[in-house]
Amino acid sequence: GAVVSQHPSRVICKSGTSVKIECRSLDFQATTMFWYRQFPKQSLMLMATSNEGSKATYEQGVEKDKFLINHASLTLSTLTVTSAHPEDSSFYICSAARPSQRGYNEQFFGPGTRLTVL
Amino acid sequence: GEDVEQSLFLSVREGDSSVINCTYTDSSSTYLYWYKQEPGAGLQLLTYIFSNMDMKQDQRLTVLLNKKDKHLSLRIADTQTGDSAIYFCAEVLSGTYKYIFGTGTRLKVLA
Repeated sequence: GAVVSQHPSRVICKSGTSVKIECRSLDFQATTMFWYRQFPKQSLMLMATSNEGSKATYEQGVEKDKFLINHASLTLSTLTVTSAHPEDSSFYICSAARPSQRGYNEQFFGPGTRLTVL
Repeated sequence: GEDVEQSLFLSVREGDSSVINCTYTDSSSTYLYWYKQEPGAGLQLLTYIFSNMDMKQDQRLTVLLNKKDKHLSLRIADTQTGDSAIYFCAEVLSGTYKYIFGTGTRLKVLA
């Protein structure tokens, strides 16, 4: 169990358009979902934390108007990159958390979405 | 700042052991993880260690934890070409649900 999917896996778009990425927990209900960004050959940087039915909490330096997060249900969170520009090109990874036997909310990661903005 | 440090590269010969090191930041972190990332793919959880343990062994993987120095290592025995990937350590900050990832170590296994 604890499978997380992302859709699409790859997307190419033109500058100025908006792109929506979906993150789904397939076999469990996620109390919290997270969005990460990974630049080439770099580590994962947490962008925001989202809880179902409430506003996302963004990390310092992440533009909330640029990266819109909606967490409509316990199994779905979406990240919309608005008015995308080439510098938004990156690998976006989501994770979904659920309480674990280890006593805290353990994160399970999606396979990632490669965004290329032309 | 919250920087979890790893050496950038490691190159080993097939059949040798690999040791990947990580220096983390929060002495109160309860769990520390090791993830593997192959090119263009997401994260694969390899193993984890609870902070009250010094060592954990899981088949070819051995995790060592030195809490005093906030140092974590992952040893891969009998390294294979399929082990070539980027390895990330991650700590769970105490009192939060946040994972802080290390800078990543690119392991290259030479045949």
